[in-house]
Amino acid sequence: EIVMTQSPATLSVSPGERATLSCRASQSVSSNVVWYQQKPGQAPRLLMSGVSTRATGFPARFSGSGSGTEFTLTISSLQSEDFAVYYCQQYNKWPPTFGQGTKVEIK
Amino acid sequence: QVQLVESGGGVVQPGRSLRLSCAASGFSFSYYGMFWVRQAPGKRLEWVAYISYDGSEKNYAGSVKGRFTISRDDSKKTLSLRMNSLRPEDTAVYYCAKDWAVTTPAAYFDSWGQGTLVTVSS
Repeated sequence: EIVMTQSPATLSVSPGERATLSCRASQSVSSNVVWYQQKPGQAPRLLMSGVSTRATGFPARFSGSGSGTEFTLTISSLQSEDFAVYYCQQYNKWPPTFGQGTKVEIK
Repeated sequence: QVQLVESGGGVVQPGRSLRLSCAASGFSFSYYGMFWVRQAPGKRLEWVAYISYDGSEKNYAGSVKGRFTISRDDSKKTLSLRMNSLRPEDTAVYYCAKDWAVTTPAAYFDSWGQGTLVTVSS
């Protein structure tokens, strides 16, 4: 199965700063990657699909890029509500697999 | 709006069984494939089981194949997961999740339940 590896494990960022999260696939997954946001005690929430299409309710400060094996989620100016864990997931090949997550915490 | 509400979790001894349920509302349940996804403490999310929109196709992660059974009742808009021969490594929060695509699975999830905790311990 395809292994998704996220980096860094934890990202300490001050409010208003930019955050860049990385996700690498063990083999090409084309553009079939999504991102989820998970806050403590809550279920994951779909954030981004098809690499760069934001889900309903997420503002334009969230953007995604990449293809093949390298993907990036960027939060341009972190707000307090953005501090959470972010997971990437590939759906190019069965079974769907997730990264281990990047925790974005307040610096 | 879409709602998925899981139930049935709890503490169970190794080797015993448990049945999870997920009540769906706010969408045409019979048109969508459904999944169970789990998250063990400190671990990444892991797909567990899938059932197609019409129930004709079922897939399981290797770690649960032969022990877990996924099913659906469209008349009651309910998804179920029967878990037999439970092991300590099955301890996790179990989420039901709705596939993004109608009928043909996209295998990513646009709605999740709040999760139900299963603890396997003697």
